[in-house]
Amino acid sequence: GAVVSQHPSRVICKSGTSVKIECRSLDFQATTMFWYRQFPKQSLMLMATSNEGSKATYEQGVEKDKFLINHASLTLSTLTVTSAHPEDSSFYICSARVWDRGTYEQYFGPGTRLTVT
Amino acid sequence: TQLLEQSPQFLSIQEGENLTVYCNSSSVFSSLQWYRQEPGEGPVLLVTVVTGGEVKKLKRLTFQFGDARKDSSLHITAAQPGDTGLYLCAGVVTNAGKSTFGDGTTLTVKP
Repeated sequence: GAVVSQHPSRVICKSGTSVKIECRSLDFQATTMFWYRQFPKQSLMLMATSNEGSKATYEQGVEKDKFLINHASLTLSTLTVTSAHPEDSSFYICSARVWDRGTYEQYFGPGTRLTVT
Repeated sequence: TQLLEQSPQFLSIQEGENLTVYCNSSSVFSSLQWYRQEPGEGPVLLVTVVTGGEVKKLKRLTFQFGDARKDSSLHITAAQPGDTGLYLCAGVVTNAGKSTFGDGTTLTVKP
């Protein structure tokens, strides 16, 4: 299957600072990537759809100015959490969509654990 | 809003038992995926089903897509502790659309 990496895997930051998370497709190009947030023992919550070369599409209730998404190349999307607060602490996961055997499939990165102190 | 209802939410069984997880919706999906996620890691794609009535097998795991492409099931035979994890189903209505995820089933297999 396709490989998606995320960096960093864990990050601790102070309240009020910004944190950037990178998502890379390692062996394929992805015009579309997705960013999710996950709380303990819960399913994935889609935050936004990241489209290469255009603005991201945010889900209802997700603040665009707080969660900045940039998809500057076909293999890299970044999520920047600006002015982080403790309630932003969560597990953030990206995925990349690839056309495979007649259908789109999503491959997920390993996730980034963000802790805001 | 497209909803994908997954059941049961939690399942705790003994090693060697069989189990089935269900994923139901009122929407018709062009494809449906099943994922398994371990704590602190990202979901791993297990299978994609696209044809109504399709059955796919992956070792002890059997996946079925409903005839009307509105529901799916995952059956595990002779569960092992290594099967422990969060199982997620996700459906796509249109081929280029975003996935709708179920709430997940947390499976614990006790040795």
